Amino acid sequence: GEDVEQSLFLSVREGDSSVINCTYTDSSSTYLYWYKQEPGAGLQLLTYIFSNMDMKQDQRLTVLLNKKDKHLSLRIADTQTGDSAIYFCAESKSNYQLIWGAGTKLIIKP
Amino acid sequence: DTGVSQDPRHKITKRGQNVTFRCDPISEHNRLYWYRQTLGQGPEFLTYFQNEAQLEKSRLLSDRFSAERPKGSFSTLEIQRTEQGDSAMYLCASSRGTGSGNTIYFGEGSWLTVV
Repeated sequence: GEDVEQSLFLSVREGDSSVINCTYTDSSSTYLYWYKQEPGAGLQLLTYIFSNMDMKQDQRLTVLLNKKDKHLSLRIADTQTGDSAIYFCAESKSNYQLIWGAGTKLIIKP
Repeated sequence: DTGVSQDPRHKITKRGQNVTFRCDPISEHNRLYWYRQTLGQGPEFLTYFQNEAQLEKSRLLSDRFSAERPKGSFSTLEIQRTEQGDSAMYLCASSRGTGSGNTIYFGEGSWLTVV
C-alpha cells in the first residue's frame, strides 16, 4: 500500500517540545518531507530528510528517521503559539509525486 | 523569488459552470504540479508538467478537468461542468526538478466552492 499515517491531534503546553510522528510504507522513498499548513493557507515546506540520513536539525526543528521501522518524527523545541497548524508528513513516491499523511493538528495550550 | 502564486484565491460557482485557475510557478522552476485538498485530508496528486509537457495525470483527473502549461511557465487548470464534489482547495506547486530533494514549493491554493 501507499499509506502514510499520522495521529490526527497533538496537544502541548507552550514552551514544551512537540513531537509529531509519522509512519510510511514505501521503503524505496528517497526523501521524506514535513510541511506546515495554517488555516486557509497553502503548504509551507519546513524541512526534508534524505533516506540515508538518521537525523537532521534546523534551528528549533529536529527530524529523526528510522528507516528500518519506516518511522519519521518532527520535534519542535520550545513550542510557541505561532506553531499552531496542521503538520503533514509526505514521502516521495517518484521524482514527481508525494504521498501524504492526513496531517496532525498541533494545539498549543497556554 | 516571489514564490508560487495562484489566482483566484477563492471562487464560488454554480453547479454546471466552468471555472479556471491560474498558477504562476517560481521562475526557472521547470516542474509544475497540481494537487487537490479537501478538509481534513492531505493533498492528492492531480497532474504534473515538466516544462510544457504534461507527463502524468492521476485517475482523479476526470475528463472534465484539463490542465495546460503552454509555454512552460504559468499553468491553468480548468474544470468544466462543475459538480458539488469538486469543492476543494486546488494547490499548485513547482520545483527545479533536480537536486536538493526536488524540493516542492506550494502556492497558497485556490478555494473552490460549488453551490
